[in-house]
Amino acid sequence: GQNIDQPTEMTATEGAIVQINCTYQTSGFNGLFWYQQHAGEAPTFLSYNVLDGLEEKGRFSSFLSRSKGYSYLLLKELQMKDSASYLCAFMDSNYQLIWGAGTKLIIKP
Amino acid sequence: ETGVTQTPRHLVMGMTNKKSLKCEQHLGHNAMYWYKQSAKKPLELMFVYNFKEQTENNSVPSRFSPECPNSSHLFLHLHTLQPEDSALYLCASSQATGTGESPLHFGNGTRLTVT
Repeated sequence: GQNIDQPTEMTATEGAIVQINCTYQTSGFNGLFWYQQHAGEAPTFLSYNVLDGLEEKGRFSSFLSRSKGYSYLLLKELQMKDSASYLCAFMDSNYQLIWGAGTKLIIKP
Repeated sequence: ETGVTQTPRHLVMGMTNKKSLKCEQHLGHNAMYWYKQSAKKPLELMFVYNFKEQTENNSVPSRFSPECPNSSHLFLHLHTLQPEDSALYLCASSQATGTGESPLHFGNGTRLTVT
């Protein structure tokens, strides 16, 4: 079967670093996405990984290990505006997106 | 003008009402989607249209009826809804379906409350 899991909620301090993990199980894989969603707003695309390794985009980086069924989103130099939900989703062999329930990230001053 | 626009932002309707949600995308995309988002649950895909043709209907009850008159517009017609249908309904678009390199672009959603 297919499943995906990420923590429900995390708390971090402004200026610090936080890593949000996502684990998944699937027989077919066509990449993994991370989206950011502020309360009451649209999810917005952050990153797409299809090959193993680390992709860096400014303060945000995303890592993928296909053999371990594991990804993480790394946020550096946290700012208050980073308080949001972070959605992990993988694309299966039929190019269907399988979504996690999201991780609510709370940033404290 | 944002890429994907949804109206209305908020909707309260009774169980016997009929209403419609509207979505418009200005990105030149060929695929459009309806998702349901409930608190603390994963996004649920409802319908997919690719080049105006419906390609996905994820066992959605018939009280939800989609319409896609062209590649830029998508509607979700609602009738005789149930209180458990209360949720955030998100519209999204992408360049195409069937490719991993085409991320979804979402609208801000319609917050639906069924009383």
